[in-house]
Amino acid sequence: EADIYQTPRYLVIGTGKKITLECSQTMGHDKMYWYQQDPGMELHLIHYSYGVNSTEKGDLSSESTVSRIRTEHFPLTLESARPSHTSQYLCASTGTSGRYNEQFFGPGTRLTVL
Amino acid sequence: RKEVEQDPGPFNVPEGATVAFNCTYSNSASQSFFWYRQDCRKEPKLLMSVYSSGNEDGRFTAQLNRASQYISLLIRDSKLSDSATYLCAVNPHSGSARQLTFGSGTQLTVLP
Repeated sequence: EADIYQTPRYLVIGTGKKITLECSQTMGHDKMYWYQQDPGMELHLIHYSYGVNSTEKGDLSSESTVSRIRTEHFPLTLESARPSHTSQYLCASTGTSGRYNEQFFGPGTRLTVL
Repeated sequence: RKEVEQDPGPFNVPEGATVAFNCTYSNSASQSFFWYRQDCRKEPKLLMSVYSSGNEDGRFTAQLNRASQYISLLIRDSKLSDSATYLCAVNPHSGSARQLTFGSGTQLTVLP
């Protein structure tokens, strides 16, 4: 089992609130990712990070922001939540050792904005 | 054209059947290939890495065809518990942090 954690698992919040979704991994992986996935739909990469102090936007434009101050921690922040942000947010990480660089996912945060 | 394409299904098969999924990729320089399983409203879980020589894990066999740029997943003697969405993933950028591009998934339902 991969050691990657996300909190909260479920969040219901009102429009306009600032939220931070937490993601931590204890595997020492340098590469971390945030995906957004609506029910029954495909994964969309919204942010990724090479390592500490390195972040990049993914394929899907997102109003969220990320930071990477510590290797193990990759939080995602929405300054002002809107109903269009309702979705599942999945965090993932990959190591650089090994030939195949397998990517492991956290359990996800299911966000509902009212 | 999408970088990674899968037949969305759904595939509805009886228990005990053999079922195969294909996944095509557009970048011939792709280096790594994977199959993930995703249950409804859960995170994707790594099922198999796909090795260039093909590999087998119990009832599951994965193969890579570089010439035709596709990977396949074969499930033999399917069980009810195999019902899920199967995602293929490809690393289209060797050495880059972007790592994986996922297909949209193939839905499998195994019927009693």
